[in-house]
Amino acid sequence: DAGVIQSPRHEVTEMGQEVTLRCKPISGHNSLFWYRQTMMRGLELLIYFNNNVPIDDSGMPEDRFSAKMPNASFSTLKIQPSEPRDSAVYFCASSLAGQGAFNEKLFFGSGTQLSVL
Amino acid sequence: GENVEQHPSTLSVQEGDSAVIKCTYSDSASNYFPWYKQELGKRPQLIIDIRSNVGEKKDQRIAVTLNKTAKHFSLHITETQPEDSAVYFCAAGKTNTGNQFYFGTGTSLTVIP
Repeated sequence: DAGVIQSPRHEVTEMGQEVTLRCKPISGHNSLFWYRQTMMRGLELLIYFNNNVPIDDSGMPEDRFSAKMPNASFSTLKIQPSEPRDSAVYFCASSLAGQGAFNEKLFFGSGTQLSVL
Repeated sequence: GENVEQHPSTLSVQEGDSAVIKCTYSDSASNYFPWYKQELGKRPQLIIDIRSNVGEKKDQRIAVTLNKTAKHFSLHITETQPEDSAVYFCAAGKTNTGNQFYFGTGTSLTVIP
């Protein structure tokens, strides 16, 4: 398995533009997570899907952020409009777990380095 | 929700010395505590974990300790090597929430040859 695949690896955009980050989880995994990494705040959980359903989006910073998981093999994180303070590394991770069940290992993607100018 | 604090934010040690990273958590219901290592420009990867029913776990040069009463846990790396240089993250979670971990802010460890 190729692991969790994220695209693009790097994204540079101007303030106000729409940004879409993409993630393909490991085949068979039923849980998907979006994290944002910054120096100041470390790894912040933005949203968590289980069986394609958003379970907890309390970490999404504001309405400019949205995430979807239309099927078990694809998820997107969208920022519209983007702002310079959104600049960070965004990680997608997947695991074989379920609500009420537990599997401890998170598999992270390579991340998307987002720079908003 | 859970609040995980991690110290120090940066740590430099001489090769061969030990390194200790400490974390505290706020939610007494948390019962699973993983540690992730992130090398420069790479993704975080699980290196060791501990559950609340044990106080210590060891894997070669790495050990974790947990004090549930005080709500703190630590990562110990002995006989450090240059390849141990990385950012280390602690996390805390509850088993009934799947992998909804709350991470600390990370410790940048530098092992000086």
